[in-house]
Amino acid sequence: DTGVSQDPRHKITKRGQNVTFRCDPISEHNRLYWYRQTLGQGPEFLTYFQNEAQLEKSRLLSDRFSAERPKGSFSTLEIQRTEQGDSAMYLCASSPPGQVPGEQFFGPGTRLTVL
Amino acid sequence: AQTVTQSQPEMSVQDAETVTLSCTYDTSENNYYLFWYKQPPSRQMILVIRQEAYKQQNATENRFSVNFQKAAKSFSLKISDSQLGDTAMYFCAFMKDRGSTLGRLYFGRGTQLTVWP
Repeated sequence: DTGVSQDPRHKITKRGQNVTFRCDPISEHNRLYWYRQTLGQGPEFLTYFQNEAQLEKSRLLSDRFSAERPKGSFSTLEIQRTEQGDSAMYLCASSPPGQVPGEQFFGPGTRLTVL
Repeated sequence: AQTVTQSQPEMSVQDAETVTLSCTYDTSENNYYLFWYKQPPSRQMILVIRQEAYKQQNATENRFSVNFQKAAKSFSLKISDSQLGDTAMYFCAFMKDRGSTLGRLYFGRGTQLTVWP
């Protein structure tokens, strides 16, 4: 399977715990995006990497959130001291090189439940 | 700021019929991209169709076509000959073609489409 993969697919944690999610983009894609989707809403942008550089962060990405893409390949999204409001589907997407970003290919998402 | 509005939370259509999903957006940009993405139940989101704002011709992809009205900031999706497999949540999305937020997609809240036999 050469699509975008995310791990884990589901995560249940207790409030106050830290969690980390991983995203593996399509191999030749240099752009990687994180979105958050809550029930009944469209995905909301969190952050964006071009290669290993984090080019934009949404105001939704509080101090408890951090994302990395150290070698320009896979990316991790960490949430520290989780809160119940962090419960959501976290989506990763990637897009190929080009002057203007093209189609974004989405992964299956990681569903986080904070108890 | 860019906003995308989908005013129809739910739609239903009988198979083989035609259905149109509505989307409006607000932007001060002149050039941009518009997309319709499909999210089937428990499956990942996939691109249905894409429109460049500088192109006057409406995009088509097999049974899917759009009605892009730039002045009205409207971007509707028409699905012809609906099939049971079209049942999904459909999201309208906007992307700027330049600037610091290049690459960022702005999504509407989605329209749940159900195709029934």
